[in-house]
Amino acid sequence: QSVLTQPPSVSGAPGQRVTISCTGSSSNFGAGYDVHWYQQLPGTAPKLLIYGNSNRPSGVPDRFSGSKSGTSASLAITGLQAEDEADYYCQSYDSSLSGSRVFGGGTKVTVL
Amino acid sequence: QVQLQESGPGLVKPSETLSLTCTVSGGSVSGYYWSWIRQPPGKGLEWIGYLYYSGSSGTTKYDPSLKSRVTISVDTSKNQFSLKLSSVTAADTAVYYCAREQGLWFHIWGQGTMVTVSS
Repeated sequence: QSVLTQPPSVSGAPGQRVTISCTGSSSNFGAGYDVHWYQQLPGTAPKLLIYGNSNRPSGVPDRFSGSKSGTSASLAITGLQAEDEADYYCQSYDSSLSGSRVFGGGTKVTVL
Repeated sequence: QVQLQESGPGLVKPSETLSLTCTVSGGSVSGYYWSWIRQPPGKGLEWIGYLYYSGSSGTTKYDPSLKSRVTISVDTSKNQFSLKLSSVTAADTAVYYCAREQGLWFHIWGQGTMVTVSS
């Protein structure tokens, strides 16, 4: 059972917009800690996609955007492309777990 | 450009100690937070713990569920940091990643190394 809750899967057709939710609690998002997102392509290491709720590292397309409000966060992918098919993980800090960094359970994005 | 490379045995027997090393190239191990993260087959990511080393001292934090079995240490002469996980069981079978942290997120990852616990 992950501290951050994500849907197991989402899907969309090429060109569509999909969103992935990440639900936290008062000890992580609600305490003001940021959400960060990672993309994991099959057989590869995770890659930082969004940091500090809504910031994209250099090289990440602006099709990817993030937001956070209260105890929830979301990642949006607009103009969905075949190469976006991957697992996506949210991550934050949890103050109730003695310095723990926590991940969501991951969401598989399927491009139909 | 900083790069990370995990190394260590791919097979460990139950009840023994898993030992992995992460070699840092292109930058110093000093002055940063270094984490170990694992991913059991077909499952999600699990943070194991971090080491922060600066000057002559280091600080560690571990996930509470693994704290009694985990040790993360640094070898500045080799620009490496290491993970030891004791009393392993099949549940510790996973891909183990090392990562550098910045501002509570992980911005540089190693490629990962698969460790299987089996007799």
